[in-house]
Amino acid sequence: DIQMTQSPSSLSASVGDRVTITCRASQDITTYLAWYQQQPGKVPRLLIYAASTLQSGVPSRFSGSGSGTDFTLTITSLQPEDAAIYYCQKYNGAPWTFGQGTKVEIK
Amino acid sequence: QVQLVQSGAEGKKPGASVKVSCKTSGYSFTSYYIHWVRQAPGQGLEWMGIIDPRGGSTTYAQNFQGTVTLTRDTSTNTVYMELTSLKSEDTAVYYCARVLRLGGNYYGLDVWGQGTTVSVSS
Repeated sequence: DIQMTQSPSSLSASVGDRVTITCRASQDITTYLAWYQQQPGKVPRLLIYAASTLQSGVPSRFSGSGSGTDFTLTITSLQPEDAAIYYCQKYNGAPWTFGQGTKVEIK
Repeated sequence: QVQLVQSGAEGKKPGASVKVSCKTSGYSFTSYYIHWVRQAPGQGLEWMGIIDPRGGSTTYAQNFQGTVTLTRDTSTNTVYMELTSLKSEDTAVYYCARVLRLGGNYYGLDVWGQGTTVSVSS
């Protein structure tokens, strides 16, 4: 099975900072990658699919890039409500494996 | 609007089984696959499996082969997840989620149930 590895596991940044999270697949998944946000105590929310397409209603400060095995999620101008755990997920066939998550804290 | 509403919290003893329901509404039930995802306390998301509500075909993650069964009832637009031989490690929140479908292709999970807490303890 394809493994998904995120880095870092956690980070702390200030409001207004640019934040980048990376996700690496153990094999080529082209752009079959989604990013989710899970705020504390809440249900996961789809942010980005097809590696770089913003889901409807998601603020434009979120963006995704990459293809093949290396992907990034970028938050430009971090906001207090962005404190959450972010997960990547591959979906080019079962299993739809998640990365282990990246916790974003606000300084 | 599209909704996935899950059944309530469950408390079970080790060795027992649990069946969680996920009632869907607001869309064509047979047109969208439903996935199940588990989250143990303080842990990440773990993909469990998928069911095609049209024909009922399923695929399970290797970790859940033999212990999880996904079924559906097209008369009530409901999907079920049954987990057997429960262990304390199965204590978790269980989510159902609908696949995002655009133009016949699939792109992640866009609508999630509220989650069902299953606690396993003697």
